[in-house]
Amino acid sequence: DQQVKQNSPSLSVQEGRISILNCDYTNSMFDYFLWYKKYPAEGPTFLISISSIKDKNEDGRFTVFLNKSAKHLSLHIVPSQPGDSAVYFCAASARQGGSEKLVFGKGTKLTVNP
Amino acid sequence: SQTIHQWPATLVQPVGSPLSLECTVEGTSNPNLYWYRQAAGRGLQLLFYSVGIGQISSEVPQNLSASRPQDRQFILSSKKLLLSDSGFYLCAWSGFGTKSSTDTQYFGPGTRLTVL
Repeated sequence: DQQVKQNSPSLSVQEGRISILNCDYTNSMFDYFLWYKKYPAEGPTFLISISSIKDKNEDGRFTVFLNKSAKHLSLHIVPSQPGDSAVYFCAASARQGGSEKLVFGKGTKLTVNP
Repeated sequence: SQTIHQWPATLVQPVGSPLSLECTVEGTSNPNLYWYRQAAGRGLQLLFYSVGIGQISSEVPQNLSASRPQDRQFILSSKKLLLSDSGFYLCAWSGFGTKSSTDTQYFGPGTRLTVL
């Protein structure tokens, strides 16, 4: 059973526009959510996170939104740049449940066209 | 600052041969350590994690094993590789020393393993 789902395997946007990557989860115990960016043949790089006590966290061009009632989070990248082209992974953990593990989605490949 | 090292970067091994991948972390103490595998076109699969020296939790049954002989060293091994062991292996750590939550995991550069 996939607890973290990224239903769009790929997304293509124009440079300068907004990129919106979506992620859904099923486990109501999840209370910490993260986004990672991964280039081919490299390890994932941590981008931004959000705790379940918040509904928005912003860091430069990256903003993560959390809708707990819908069990949905999204990553907004504004403005999108060609260097943002990569695979983006959503991840979640149940910190209050004492879990040391992250559960990852399968990723969304973002392509930003010049 | 913290850094995580993995080696080798690439490895080509015949079926049935042994495997040893090493991961070390600098700049932190008592980290949680993780081994993941990313098969071609797939997501990240957690293989093992460790919360301390000699403490290993296995997530999936397989012919791989992990060991943590020192606080900041994590080793992934196999006695006999299978074709299905091919993939991109990633080590990660979490813990104290960064401005993010201690649950945030930071990944190494990865090892590309090809079993022929």
